Amino acid sequence: GAVVSQHPSRVICKSGTSVKIECRSLDFQATTMFWYRQFPKQSLMLMATSNEGSKATYEQGVEKDKFLINHASLTLSTLTVTSAHPEDSSFYICSALAVVHSYNEQFFGPGTRLTVL
Amino acid sequence: RKEVEQDPGPFNVPEGATVAFNCTYSNSASQSFFWYRQDCRKEPKLLMSVYSSGNEDGRFTAQLNRASQYISLLIRDSKLSDSATYLCVVTKSNFGNEKLTFGTGTRLTIIP
Repeated sequence: GAVVSQHPSRVICKSGTSVKIECRSLDFQATTMFWYRQFPKQSLMLMATSNEGSKATYEQGVEKDKFLINHASLTLSTLTVTSAHPEDSSFYICSALAVVHSYNEQFFGPGTRLTVL
Repeated sequence: RKEVEQDPGPFNVPEGATVAFNCTYSNSASQSFFWYRQDCRKEPKLLMSVYSSGNEDGRFTAQLNRASQYISLLIRDSKLSDSATYLCVVTKSNFGNEKLTFGTGTRLTIIP
């Protein structure tokens, strides 16, 4: 099946710093990737849709200037949490669209656990 | 009202038992439906798609009732490895390229 990786898997940073998370499709090209966030005991919430070569589409309530998304190639999308604060501590998961049996299916990365001190 | 609502759980059932989860969705424009499983601190993984005619995959059976906007998942002969959180997921797309809307999940623990 399609494989998606994320790096880093875990990051701890000080308040005010910026953190970059990478999402890669390893064995397929993905024109569309999605970024989700999951707080403890809550559902995954879509933050933004990342399209290769164009600006990301953000969900309502997600600050585009705080969560910078760059989808510069067909296998890589990055999410940068700028000036991170403790309330940004969460599990960030990306997914990438792959065509499986003529149908688009989202394959998820293993997630990045961000802790902001 | 949440777009996708699930039994809050947790469900603690003995090994070998049958367990059923329910899910309702509020957007009647929803077109595609799925059950995902998520292990603790891991990413969600697709368990099965859900079709109007109902579908079965081994010990797992999924049902969809569009009129009631209701989805179910039945697990028969439960195994210890079935312990996980089960996520009900809907999307407005038939082509799989639109955003997925997740329920909060139902936690299942199978007891030896």
